[in-house]
Amino acid sequence: KAGVTQTPRYLIKTRGQQVTLSCSPISGHRSVSWYQQTPGQGLQFLFEYFSETQRNKGNFPGRFSGRQFSNSRSEMNVSTLELGDSALYLCASSRGDRGHSGNTIYFGEGSWLTVV
Amino acid sequence: DAKTTQPTSMDCAEGRAANLPCNHSTISGNEYVYWYRQIHSQGPQYIIHGLKNNETNEMASLIITEDRKSSTLILPHATLRDTAVYYCIVRPANNAGNMLTFGGGTRLMVKP
Repeated sequence: KAGVTQTPRYLIKTRGQQVTLSCSPISGHRSVSWYQQTPGQGLQFLFEYFSETQRNKGNFPGRFSGRQFSNSRSEMNVSTLELGDSALYLCASSRGDRGHSGNTIYFGEGSWLTVV
Repeated sequence: DAKTTQPTSMDCAEGRAANLPCNHSTISGNEYVYWYRQIHSQGPQYIIHGLKNNETNEMASLIITEDRKSSTLILPHATLRDTAVYYCIVRPANNAGNMLTFGGGTRLMVKP
């Protein structure tokens, strides 16, 4: 069964631009979440979507947004890019059910964003 | 979520067992212990999880103390490909969401 797929893998953007990253979860998974990883801050939770609704949100400015489609695929968008947004952006998926049986969270390989 | 404490780094000889400790002294009764690892430039990889019983799968074993305040991840025969950052995370049992709180992890270096 295919894992979590993220596109693009690498991209370079200029300050002030916006970027959209895409994530396809594991088949059957309804929960998709996004994380940012930087050398200084480590892995930080951005937000989670379940059944097209944002269910949890981390402590990031409004420039960071996301959405989920009816097929559970998700996109995240960062507007007005800053140099500090350079990071590895990770997508994770799970069934999203309450309880732990079979609700393990799996991560994709990430999208490397460089802002210049 | 409970905070976890892990050593910053550890070394292990190839072929030997790697024992990675994690302290989670404030864990509550409904929180599970999860382990992930991240090999350089890749996404975190799920390894194993447990509540109070010891668990084993094809990748590793998880030993949780009786008071549940600490745990040890055991890689029985470490290889060079096990060099990675290992994260110990506690996750509430009723947490259906994907909001994991990552600490700094342990950087395991497996040496020939």
